[in-house]
Amino acid sequence: DAGITQSPRHKVTETGTPVTLRCHQTENHRYMYWYRQDPGHGLRLIHYSYGVKDTDKGEVSDGYSVSRSKTEDFLLTLESATSSQTSVYFCAIRGDREGHEQYFGPGTRLTVT
Amino acid sequence: AQSVTQPDIHITVSEGASLELRCNYSYGATPYLFWYVQSPGQGLQLLLKYFSGDTLVQGIKGFEAEFKRSQSSFNLRKPSVHWSDAAEYFCAVGRRMGGGNKLTFGTGTQLKVEL
Repeated sequence: DAGITQSPRHKVTETGTPVTLRCHQTENHRYMYWYRQDPGHGLRLIHYSYGVKDTDKGEVSDGYSVSRSKTEDFLLTLESATSSQTSVYFCAIRGDREGHEQYFGPGTRLTVT
Repeated sequence: AQSVTQPDIHITVSEGASLELRCNYSYGATPYLFWYVQSPGQGLQLLLKYFSGDTLVQGIKGFEAEFKRSQSSFNLRKPSVHWSDAAEYFCAVGRRMGGGNKLTFGTGTQLKVEL
């Protein structure tokens, strides 16, 4: 258990509304990641952070923004949700041992109607 | 850019039978390699990883995987499958240096276990 929580766990929202998902970790890890999971695509990286206020884009970053004002929190924002952003969103942290494995949170299921 | 291929979308095995899930990767150097498992409605759990040394790595739940550089493969194996192993399995590759240590995942293999 890497001490990762995500909130909310489930959310239904309407097209065009802003949505913010929160990832919280308790172990002071430097690297944090946001992925989306869709059938047939596996997990795809949206954004990641390598420190407070330090973030970078992943492979599917369009329509998403992130912020990290504290080490323990990494926020993912959909500025104007679209139906194509209906997905399951996972947060992850990078472990500190050699190999840099990632540990995942429980996920947030987002439905955009 | 790194990439991962899991050629089998679905696999069905009988309980007690052996299992091998295939994973091929593309990367310019020796990567970090991982296998994760995901049960329905759950997050991903790390089964095992390769980062250096012995190319046969042991993981949790009786799984093992072998890194074969010449074949760019990292296949997952288990000698005797249990019904509780039914889940989706993901192979992932990561860079050793730079790039935020990002992981690239395969599209997953869904394992069904027949009793």
